[in-house]
Amino acid sequence: QQQVRQSPQSLTVWEGETAILNCSYEDSTFNYFPWYQQFPGEGPALLISIRSVSDKKEDGRFTIFFNKREKKLSLHITDSQPGDSATYFCAASAETGGYKVVFGSGTRLLVSP
Amino acid sequence: DPKIIQKPKYLVAVTGSEKILICEQYLGHNAMYWYRQSAKKPLEFMFSYSYQKLMDNQTASSRFQPQSSKKNHLDLQITALKPDDSATYFCASSQGQNSDYTFGSGTRLLVI
Repeated sequence: QQQVRQSPQSLTVWEGETAILNCSYEDSTFNYFPWYQQFPGEGPALLISIRSVSDKKEDGRFTIFFNKREKKLSLHITDSQPGDSATYFCAASAETGGYKVVFGSGTRLLVSP
Repeated sequence: DPKIIQKPKYLVAVTGSEKILICEQYLGHNAMYWYRQSAKKPLEFMFSYSYQKLMDNQTASSRFQPQSSKKNHLDLQITALKPDDSATYFCASSQGQNSDYTFGSGTRLLVI
């Protein structure tokens, strides 16, 4: 059972466009949602995160939109740059879920110049 | 300076052998984790430790044994290696549960 789902599996946008990466989850106890960025040959690195008390979190060109009722969230990358080309993982955890963060299968983003 | 050190970076092992993957973190975090990443299952949770105690184990096989000799160390011993164990193994740490992870750069294991 996959608790965190991501779509699309891969996405190509032109430089300057907005990339939209989607994520959904099943467990209603999840209340913390980090997004990680991973470049080839490296470990994932935290990009931005949101807790379920908020419906939006912004950090520069990266914005998370969160819909608790629908159990969905999305990561918007505005003014996409070739350097943003990476795999993005949506993740989730619960306060009562122990020390485990569950990751989605990732979206591979390619930004073409 | 890397805040989480994983050694070795690359590892080639023969089927049936045993290897130990090393992880040290210098962030002062009290929780450490192991994740496995392969083409089949991206970022699959394996173990979590807090204050050197096992908190969660999602690895079905007893061939995988975490070892915590110090509070900032969490090594992973893998016995009776199989080709299916080939993957990149990531160590991570956090301050408490339900909080941000910092990942190491991984150990790429190839079992032949």
